[in-house]
Amino acid sequence: KAGVTQTPRYLIKTRGQQVTLSCSPISGHRSVSWYQQTPGQGLQFLFEYFSETQRNKGNFPGRFSGRQFSNSRSEMNVSTLELGDSALYLCASSLRWGNEQFFGPGTRLTVL
Amino acid sequence: GQQVMQIPQYQHVQEGEDFTTYCNSSTTLSNIQWYKQRPGGHPVFLIQLVKSGEVKKQKRLTFQFGEAKKNSSLHITATQTTDVGTYFCAATAYSGAGSYQLTFGKGTKLSVIP
Repeated sequence: KAGVTQTPRYLIKTRGQQVTLSCSPISGHRSVSWYQQTPGQGLQFLFEYFSETQRNKGNFPGRFSGRQFSNSRSEMNVSTLELGDSALYLCASSLRWGNEQFFGPGTRLTVL
Repeated sequence: GQQVMQIPQYQHVQEGEDFTTYCNSSTTLSNIQWYKQRPGGHPVFLIQLVKSGEVKKQKRLTFQFGEAKKNSSLHITATQTTDVGTYFCAATAYSGAGSYQLTFGKGTKLSVIP
């Protein structure tokens, strides 16, 4: 079974720009969660999607948004980028919320 | 909001020594998961605990969930160099209105000296 894939793997943007990250879950997994990982704050939960609906949400500003498509692929968008948004963004998929999560390799975002 | 404290932040052990990391929550949890992240890698699921007082073992790893479902621990017996990495707990708690909050601990970075 193919694992979770994320594209792109690396991204460099400047302040004020917006960015879209993509995640393809494991086949059959309908729950997709997004996380931000930084050395200072660790792993922080952004949101979770199941069957195209956002069901659970962390404490991030509205600049962070996402969506899920009918094939369970998910995208995360960050608008008006700030320097502090530089991080590794991880996507994880599972059969449903609360089950074992399988993480992708992440997208390393650098904001200059 | 839910707060999850994980200690210690770092642990250096001699190969063969035991290692324990602790996770404490300010609220009662629905479940807790443990993950391991190797340097340069992504988190890999180890176990999920759901029941009060639950204890699960995986070879040299022992996981416990507290009776009050507010704390958990991961214990590794006789560490090996392959155990190197950062161990995270991930705590899920009901946050109201039908949704759940998932909070990761900051992780314990384990170094094993051969």
